[in-house]
Amino acid sequence: DAGVTQTPRHEVAEKGQTIILKCEPVSGHNDLFWYRQTKIQGLELLSYFRSKSLMEDGGAFKDRFKAEMLNSSFSTLKIQPTEPKDSAVYLCASSQDWGDTQYFGPGTRLLVL
Amino acid sequence: GEQVEQRPPHLSVREGDSAVITCTYTDPNSYYFFWYKQEPGASLQLLMKVFSSTEINEGQGFTVLLNKKDKRLSLNLTAAHPGDSAAYFCAVSGDTGANTGKLTFGHGTILRVHP
Repeated sequence: DAGVTQTPRHEVAEKGQTIILKCEPVSGHNDLFWYRQTKIQGLELLSYFRSKSLMEDGGAFKDRFKAEMLNSSFSTLKIQPTEPKDSAVYLCASSQDWGDTQYFGPGTRLLVL
Repeated sequence: GEQVEQRPPHLSVREGDSAVITCTYTDPNSYYFFWYKQEPGASLQLLMKVFSSTEINEGQGFTVLLNKKDKRLSLNLTAAHPGDSAAYFCAVSGDTGANTGKLTFGHGTILRVHP
């Protein structure tokens, strides 16, 4: 059974570009999460979907970050426009239901120059 | 909202020694607790999921203790070996309200086990 997959694994962007990160959750999972991981801030929740409905839209991340889930097996995270402070690892996770274990993808390492 | 404090941020022990990592949380309604391990360059892997009803949880080479009265969760690696060197994260999830289904993570502990 495939785990959470994320593409690309690495991304280098110029400041001001638009980038789109992709995630495929574990088949049958209803909840999907996007996190950002940095050494200073640790793991921060960006977005949270339950059965494709957006439950959490990122708070402080709202204005340049947009997550979408067009179907139950695919989600995207768009950052527009990118800034150097967006350099981080972006992790996608999914769980079967609320309270269940979240399974994490390998992450996308983003570097914004 | 929920806040989780994890200590220590860095821990260095010799092979065979024990290593203890502790998290304290603020929301008394927190119900699910998790420990994740992250090896360098890799993603997070689940070590253990703990329910609020279970105080002592045994894994392979480690024990997780939950003290709900003090709102404290701890991971005790009983005889650490170099393969345990990694970052460890606790995470807490609520059962009601704004924290339902979401994980709040501790800031992580980087553990180094020396031969």
